[in-house]
Amino acid sequence: AQTVTQSQPEMSVQEAETVTLSCTYDTSESDYYLFWYKQPPSRQMILVIRQEAYKQQNATENRFSVNFQKAAKSFSLKISDSQLGDAAMYFCAYRSSRGGTGGFKTIFGAGTRLFVKA
Amino acid sequence: GAGVSQSPSNKVTEKGKDVELRCDPISGHTALYWYRQSLGQGLEFLIYFQGNSAPDKSGLPSDRFSAERTGGSVSTLTIQRTQQEDSAVYLCASSNRATLGNTIYFGEGSWLTVV
Repeated sequence: AQTVTQSQPEMSVQEAETVTLSCTYDTSESDYYLFWYKQPPSRQMILVIRQEAYKQQNATENRFSVNFQKAAKSFSLKISDSQLGDAAMYFCAYRSSRGGTGGFKTIFGAGTRLFVKA
Repeated sequence: GAGVSQSPSNKVTEKGKDVELRCDPISGHTALYWYRQSLGQGLEFLIYFQGNSAPDKSGLPSDRFSAERTGGSVSTLTIQRTQQEDSAVYLCASSNRATLGNTIYFGEGSWLTVV
C-alpha cells in the first residue's frame, strides 16, 4: 500500500524568508500524482500545487515550487518570500493514476504546521 | 454548486446517538470522498465513491460507520451509536476525471463533538 510521510510536525519561518517542507512517499507504481494542500485555521483545504509523476519538470505556482525527486520518492515544497497568510497546516498527498492496489483514493501525510514570524 | 457543500458545519451529540452528515459535491463531479480529521491530526480516509462502481469502504473504522450516495450526487455519512472517539472533523471532497490530475476539492467540513 502507498504511504506518505511528513517528518516535520512543525516548521517556522521569518516573514519574507524561504522555507522548505519535506515529504516522502512509498509506492510501487510509476504513474501517479502528488499534491500539496494548505489548511488554514478556517479548516478549508486548499490545493497549493500538483505534480504529475511522468513530468520531470518541477511544478511552480507563483511563490510555491516543488522539488520532485522520483527516484528518491521525495516531493518537497518550497515557499519563497513567506507571508503571514502562509501560516497553516500543509499536507502532502499521493494519488494513483491507474488505480492499482490502493485504488484511486488520495492518501495524505500527517501534515506540517507552518508558523510565519513577523 | 460552486463548491463542495457540507452540513451541518457543527454538531454536538450525546454518546450513543446516531448522526448523519451530508455532502453535496461540485456539480458534475463523479467521485466523492469522506475523510476524518481528529484534532491536530492528518486526514484519515474513510470511503470513496466513483460513479456507479462499488464504493471503496476500506477506511471505515467500524460497522457503526456507513455512507451512501444517492443518484450519483449527494452523499450521507451515518455514524450509529456514537462514541467520544468519533469526535472529529469530517471532510468531504469531490473530483472529476476531467480535472487535471483528478485533483480533489474539499468542503469546509462537519465538526462533530460527542459528549
